[in-house]
Amino acid sequence: ILNVEQSPQSLHVQEGDSTNFTCSFPSSNFYALHWYRWETAKSPEALFVMTLNGDEKKKGRISATLNTKEGYSYLYIKGSQPEDSATYLCDNGSEKLVFGKGTKLTVNP
Amino acid sequence: DAGVTQSPTHLIKTRGQQVTLRCSPKSGHDTVSWYQQALGQGPQFIFQYYEEEERQRGNFPDRFSGHQFPNYSSELNVNALLLGDSALYLCASSSEDYLYEQYFGPGTRLTVT
Repeated sequence: ILNVEQSPQSLHVQEGDSTNFTCSFPSSNFYALHWYRWETAKSPEALFVMTLNGDEKKKGRISATLNTKEGYSYLYIKGSQPEDSATYLCDNGSEKLVFGKGTKLTVNP
Repeated sequence: DAGVTQSPTHLIKTRGQQVTLRCSPKSGHDTVSWYQQALGQGPQFIFQYYEEEERQRGNFPDRFSGHQFPNYSSELNVNALLLGDSALYLCASSSEDYLYEQYFGPGTRLTVT
């Protein structure tokens, strides 16, 4: 089973701060990488699917980049808002699926 | 288009009993994966079903078994329940056509007393 690691484990920021966190994965046999947002009392919701080295995806204030050669993806949130508070998960996106443990983001008003 | 549905929402069982959880995938998806989410952890992969067969399995004992039906819906069965089996059980559907992006159901909260 491939290892997917996320850092930091948790993050506290103030409203308006920009932040980023990392998903690391073994770079061999890369297929796709997914980012998910998991709010308390809800199910994980897909944010981005990333497949190509150098991919950059954006949805509102949230964006993600992918480096398949070195095995990492960054998720950026610009101007964090309290409603961004959630756990952000990534997975290695293959049929042999492995999730990271997530980064728990708390945005204080 | 209905998303992924799971039943029941909540369940309370006693140690030693058996439980069956159900999942219907999103329309157009043919692969169903089951996850256990314990407090403070990311989803832990239990197993995945495709074409009515278990395609891969995580590190869970044989007490955890499953099934997929011709309409792609799936069941998760847990025998001889332990207190440690108390968790949120998530079902997710996907398809290779969509690069295995997981669409999650609302989960079943299982409490074992």
